[in-house]
Amino acid sequence: QVQLQESGPGLVKPSETLSLTCVVSGYFMSSGYYWGWIRQPPRKGLEWIGSIYDPGSAHYNPSLKSRVTVSVDTSKNQISLKVTSVTAADTAVYYCARQGDGPDYFDYWGQGTLVTVSS
Amino acid sequence: SYELTQPLSVSVALGQTARITCGGSDIGSKSVHWYQQKPGQAPVLVIYRDTNRPSGIPERFSGSNSGNTATLTITRAQVGDEADYYCQVWDSTTRMAFGGGTNLTVL
Repeated sequence: QVQLQESGPGLVKPSETLSLTCVVSGYFMSSGYYWGWIRQPPRKGLEWIGSIYDPGSAHYNPSLKSRVTVSVDTSKNQISLKVTSVTAADTAVYYCARQGDGPDYFDYWGQGTLVTVSS
Repeated sequence: SYELTQPLSVSVALGQTARITCGGSDIGSKSVHWYQQKPGQAPVLVIYRDTNRPSGIPERFSGSNSGNTATLTITRAQVGDEADYYCQVWDSTTRMAFGGGTNLTVL
């Protein structure tokens, strides 16, 4: 069974960089599939952030592209997310997820981690 | 970017059929996926590629997609089906796009 677990600081100061890690168990990431990040601000809907297949094939939400980096480390079976110059608008639950074999949908999700941007 | 439009809320009587729509330009030419999200939990995939149910999803959940509207149908609605539901498409330009979400209430 594929499992994903996000981790990282729960509080980030404005203008700083948000950094999260997602560890995957039950599946070797080097075997394939896209892996993505999605976020959900409090009481709002889902927003796709970006996805990656291998280090050379990341895709980003155009609205966030200038501030976001998604990376993958298959040796550690994990993906990472960095969001620079954060503001209160970046406060959200951040999820990592595996994309199905399309890779057009998300079939396995982590439980999510809340990140609050505040001084 | 590709826009997906969902009603904010849908209500259904216990045991009846709920239909949640997802509107988008020529959405019938795309594959639509649906997620269920209960309070405090991560989303769960309930329908993928318009009509397919992942393992473990009850047959009461079904999907259709044609023209400018995709629909998630839940028959014999139960209290346990109360949740937010999101549609999602993959577009070659936008990549991943989510609808705004629909809150389902079972009366």
